[in-house]
Amino acid sequence: NAGVTQTPKFRILKIGQSMTLQCAQDMNHNYMYWYRQDPGMGLKLIYYSVGAGITDKGEVPNGYNVSRSTTEDFPLRLELAAPSQTSVYFCASSLGLGRAEDTQYFGPGTRLTVL
Amino acid sequence: KQEVTQIPAALSVPEGENLVLNCSFTDSAIYNLQWFRQDPGKGLTSLLLIQSSQREQTSGRLNASLDKSSGRSTLYIAASQPGDSATYLCAGAQSYNTDKLIFGTGTRLQVFP
Repeated sequence: NAGVTQTPKFRILKIGQSMTLQCAQDMNHNYMYWYRQDPGMGLKLIYYSVGAGITDKGEVPNGYNVSRSTTEDFPLRLELAAPSQTSVYFCASSLGLGRAEDTQYFGPGTRLTVL
Repeated sequence: KQEVTQIPAALSVPEGENLVLNCSFTDSAIYNLQWFRQDPGKGLTSLLLIQSSQREQTSGRLNASLDKSSGRSTLYIAASQPGDSATYLCAGAQSYNTDKLIFGTGTRLQVFP
């Protein structure tokens, strides 16, 4: 299994541009998440999904959109890039069976710079 | 609102030392408490997960404890090695039907030979 994969690894955007960060998992996990990590900080939840067609906002959703049409894929869309969105973005997934022993599996991250 | 704090923010120790990383949380109604390792430029790897009904978990040289009443978790690393150098993050899960995590800001550990 490839686990959780993210593309691209790096990207530089100009202010106002749009882009989609791709995330895919091949573990048949129900739950998927998008986090951002600013320098020297922990991860903050942007959006999450508990199944295909179901998404919900996390702690910092402004400026982002998501969709989940399949179990495997969970893309994150930035519509009008701003310098405040410069960050490292992580996608994660978990089984989603409501068990206390279930952990999240993380992708390698996408480093985004907005100039 | 759950807040997770980690102390210290950075730690530098000589090889072979035993060390303790601390994690505090404000809301004791957590579902589980997890410790992750993050290497520079990489994603997170789960090290240990303690369910709310448990008090500790062990894996090799790592031992994590959970005290919900005091809102604290500790990660104990025995006989530290240079390969342990990384950032360690703790995270609390508060809902069994979403598995959402609240992360601390991490402790950056350097173990020198």
